[in-house]
Amino acid sequence: GQNIDQPTEMTATEGAIVQINCTYQTSGFNGLFWYQQHAGEAPTFLSYNVLDGLEEKGRFSSFLSRSKGYSYLLLKELQMKDSASYLCAVRALDGQNFVFGPGTRLSVLP
Amino acid sequence: ETGVTQTPRHLVMGMTNKKSLKCEQHLGHNAMYWYKQSAKKPLELMFVYSLEERVENNSVPSRFSPECPNSSHLFLHLHTLQPEDSALYLCASSQDQGGKLGYGYTFGSGTRLTVV
Repeated sequence: GQNIDQPTEMTATEGAIVQINCTYQTSGFNGLFWYQQHAGEAPTFLSYNVLDGLEEKGRFSSFLSRSKGYSYLLLKELQMKDSASYLCAVRALDGQNFVFGPGTRLSVLP
Repeated sequence: ETGVTQTPRHLVMGMTNKKSLKCEQHLGHNAMYWYKQSAKKPLELMFVYSLEERVENNSVPSRFSPECPNSSHLFLHLHTLQPEDSALYLCASSQDQGGKLGYGYTFGSGTRLTVV
């Protein structure tokens, strides 16, 4: 079966750091992706991990542990515009299809 | 503009109507997808087209009928829908070669569908 878990909602303060966790159990694994989705807009690609470790991209970093079926997205120096839903998605072995988590709605407060 | 354009942005239809959603990608990708996004639920894959052939139909009711006339265009034909079909319908495209890594989706902005 396929299952991806994320917290439903998180709240953080402007300028702070927040970590959004994602755990997965899938029948295949060919990479883990994080997407950002603002209300009423398209999801946009944030990061990709296929090997264990940390990938850093500016204020955003993503970590993967394949043995633990675990990833997190780290957002530093939070800004109001970071208020959005963050979707964790695992890519199946066939290389085409994704299984998406339910998304974490992050609210950044002043 | 994300490179994937969906029309219309909003659609209200009665249960006896027939309508179509349109998706167009300008990225030269070879795979296109329909996803359904309902409130508080994960994105649900509906259909996958790769090189204009349907490669996946994820147990979607027959009242949803996809069409992919070429690699740049994807349609979702709707008929006799139910109120529970109200959702955001997202189109996406990708450049995939069966296991080629590192390529995420490019999503359209979606069509917000309300069935009354």
